[in-house]
Amino acid sequence: AQKVTQAQTEISVVEKEDVTLDCVYETRDTTYYLFWYKQPPSGELVFLIRRNSFDEQNEISGRYSWNFQKSTSSFNFTITASQVVDSAVYFCALSEARGGSQGNLIFGKGTKLSVKP
Amino acid sequence: DAGITQSPRHKVTETGTPVTLRCHQTENHRYMYWYRQDPGHGLRLIHYSYGVKDTDKGEVSDGYSVSRSKTEDFLLTLESATSSQTSVYFCAIKSAEAGLTYNEQFFGPGTRLTVL
Repeated sequence: AQKVTQAQTEISVVEKEDVTLDCVYETRDTTYYLFWYKQPPSGELVFLIRRNSFDEQNEISGRYSWNFQKSTSSFNFTITASQVVDSAVYFCALSEARGGSQGNLIFGKGTKLSVKP
Repeated sequence: DAGITQSPRHKVTETGTPVTLRCHQTENHRYMYWYRQDPGHGLRLIHYSYGVKDTDKGEVSDGYSVSRSKTEDFLLTLESATSSQTSVYFCAIKSAEAGLTYNEQFFGPGTRLTVL
């Protein structure tokens, strides 16, 4: 069975601090996708990134970076020099790489990040 | 912008009344989903659709039904609302091009439903 665990329920940091959000997943599939979504206080869900299981390269996008490690079944998300606008709930998700109905997303319970000025 | 709208955006209703939430998309996506979001539970899949008149149950389907008579509309119905169905409901679509899909989903703005 597939499962996503975000052990950090809430994190609070001061602006300009770096922060890492942890995501640990379980799957029996050898090929799968991992995702991160952001939900700001306004409530919408924003897609941030998709990672394929066969590509373990880390990815950087501005202040955001993602560290994918198959050996530890983790897909962690780091925000460098955090800003107040980064305050949100962040969700990690997993899906099988097959298409169709098997490609449904399994979400973690989310980590609420508060960035104080 | 994935062209997804949800209506209504807010609704307050009483226990035992039927409620229908509508999800509308403008880009002919085949896959559509209904989730509910509750504190401490994240997002949980209620039902999904993989085409017109093709639907299937998700993790928390009890008390809900869905219909998809047109590609663009996916309706979620609470036949007899209960207080445990107070939640924020999100619709989503899965983007696929030429049969290739990476499974990411894009979400509508959400509907906040309160059952008194």
